[in-house]
Amino acid sequence: LAKTTQPISMDSYEGQEVNITCSHNNIATNDYITWYQQFPSQGPRFIIQGYKTKVTNEVASLFIPADRKSSTLSLPRVSLSDTAVYYCLVGDVNAGNMLTFGGGTRLMVKP
Amino acid sequence: EPEVTQTPSHQVTQMGQEVILRCVPISNHLYFYWYRQILGQKVEFLVSFYNNEISEKSEIFDDQFSVERPDGSNFTLKIRSTKLEDSAMYFCASSEVVWESNNEQFFGPGTRLTVL
Repeated sequence: LAKTTQPISMDSYEGQEVNITCSHNNIATNDYITWYQQFPSQGPRFIIQGYKTKVTNEVASLFIPADRKSSTLSLPRVSLSDTAVYYCLVGDVNAGNMLTFGGGTRLMVKP
Repeated sequence: EPEVTQTPSHQVTQMGQEVILRCVPISNHLYFYWYRQILGQKVEFLVSFYNNEISEKSEIFDDQFSVERPDGSNFTLKIRSTKLEDSAMYFCASSEVVWESNNEQFFGPGTRLTVL
């Protein structure tokens, strides 16, 4: 499994764009990059997934450079309710595969 | 929107007692999982279950743990003789069977297990 490294914590203010970068130097050819979000006392929730280049959905964008050794989760115009822990996961996405969570990035959005 | 449900939300038990944590996965999902998260620590994989058998398990999932799908809707995690270190939040998750594609796992709200 590819090891991931991401900042332990980040602070932001409401309305700002937040970019959280994850390093995964030993990502394998078959690996996808997936981000989950976890609010306090809740289960993780899928945000976005990508393989290369850029992926965008209604919640976030995911930027993946050509070498795929890192990725950046971008949250546009954050609000207080985006305060959560964000996990970068790298691995095979076949059904049934376990998810391996790291420590995540604790994002604090301030008013 | 369909969701994974778990009961109870909080379970307090004495060390050495058996506990059963219950989950109702999303109805058309066929893969089921249990994870746990000790307070302040990472979410850790315990076990995955498909077609009425365990497909993968971690080192944490020792002989004290078992899983079962007793009927068409419930998925349970049993801890035979709880230890203090089993105190954690236990999350159930489920996913569709989609190969070589997005294996999004849907997590329940968790059961907080406190072992005294």
